[in-house]
Amino acid sequence: AQKVTQAQTEISVVEKEDVTLDCVYETRDTTYYLFWYKQPPSGELVFLIRRNSFDEQNEISGRYSWNFQKSTSSFNFTITASQVVDSAVYFCALSGVSQGGSEKLVFGKGTKLTVNP
Amino acid sequence: ETGVTQTPRHLVMGMTNKKSLKCEQHLGHNAMYWYKQSAKKPLELMFVYNFKEQTENNSVPSRFSPECPNSSHLFLHLHTLQPEDSALYLCASSQHEGLAGGTQYFGPGTRLTVL
Repeated sequence: AQKVTQAQTEISVVEKEDVTLDCVYETRDTTYYLFWYKQPPSGELVFLIRRNSFDEQNEISGRYSWNFQKSTSSFNFTITASQVVDSAVYFCALSGVSQGGSEKLVFGKGTKLTVNP
Repeated sequence: ETGVTQTPRHLVMGMTNKKSLKCEQHLGHNAMYWYKQSAKKPLELMFVYNFKEQTENNSVPSRFSPECPNSSHLFLHLHTLQPEDSALYLCASSQHEGLAGGTQYFGPGTRLTVL
């Protein structure tokens, strides 16, 4: 069965610090997708990135970067020079197949990031 | 128009009430999803619709009844709910279902409180 572990429940940093959110996953599938979503206090899950299992290239988008390491089953997310607007709950997710045969997203429990001014 | 909208944003209802949650997507997608997010629990998939057909019911109690009249609209009809059903209900859509079905985009959610 698929599983996503986000060991960090809450992280608090001061503005301009770099912060890394950890994500470790388990799957027996050879083809799968990994995702990160951001959930600000308003509630909406905002899509950040999708990565397939065959693409281990790291990705950078502005202040955000992702490190995909298949060898350690990890898909970590780093925010460089954090800002107050980055405060949110961040979810890592893995695509998997449900008991009913449908594709579903398996979410971690989320990491609450607080960036203080 | 934002991609996925949900109404109402907040709902308070008694256990004997009947209410409905509405979701609308403007992304031209063919798959729509309902999720439940409770405090301190991971997001739980409830229902999946692909091309208007229900393809997943994740052992959801019958007091939750989904309806998908077309690929752009999804409803969740609620009746005789329990206080433990209080949660954030999130709707999502994707191009279609399946591993290659693309990313799921979420609406802002409906915060439901059952008294």
